[in-house]
Amino acid sequence: ELKVEQNPLFLSMQEGKNYTIYCNYSTTSDRLYWYRQDPGKSLESLFVLLSNGAVKQEGRLMASLDTKARLSTLHITAAVHDLSATYFCAVDPNNAGNMLTFGGGTRLMVKP
Amino acid sequence: NAGVTQTPKFRVLKTGQSMTLLCAQDMNHEYMYWYRQDPGMGLRLIHYSVGEGTTAKGEVPDGYNVSRLKKQNFLLGLESAAPSQTSVYFCASSLTGTVEQYFGPGTRLTVT
Repeated sequence: ELKVEQNPLFLSMQEGKNYTIYCNYSTTSDRLYWYRQDPGKSLESLFVLLSNGAVKQEGRLMASLDTKARLSTLHITAAVHDLSATYFCAVDPNNAGNMLTFGGGTRLMVKP
Repeated sequence: NAGVTQTPKFRVLKTGQSMTLLCAQDMNHEYMYWYRQDPGMGLRLIHYSVGEGTTAKGEVPDGYNVSRLKKQNFLLGLESAAPSQTSVYFCASSLTGTVEQYFGPGTRLTVT
């Protein structure tokens, strides 16, 4: 059974600081997705990582994938309040996109 | 484009009642998915479809049925609701199996 674990589960940080969210998974996969969810809202796609060594950046967020270590990271640079949300990683164990397994989420709170 | 829409937004059922949730997408996507999200947890895949007329089981299919008679619609049915099915249900769609999924706004279902 595929397990996807995120840590930390909760992160409170000051504006302007840097931090990294980790996503570990237990089976071979070359495909990993990051999503953002605001409270009471739906999920919004952030990044699609499709190969070992993939790195993608959008604004203050950067995601990377190491398939050998079964690890993805979401790095936050100089956090701002607008980044407060819950972040989920999701792994595609079949490399076909139709059976995503989600991590439990990291709730990020950025304090002004 | 409306994207992915879900009907209804909220619903309260009594144990044993039945209902159908409707998901519609106007992006001509092939893949559609139904997830449930329980408090403080990530999403779990219930059923999915890789094209009109096809359906398949996900991680937690018991107690649910689905149909995809038209490409743009994906229906989720609960034949005999149970309190354990109290959750927020999200529908999603994707063009293929290797790109990001687009999520609907969710349906909050309470079974008493």
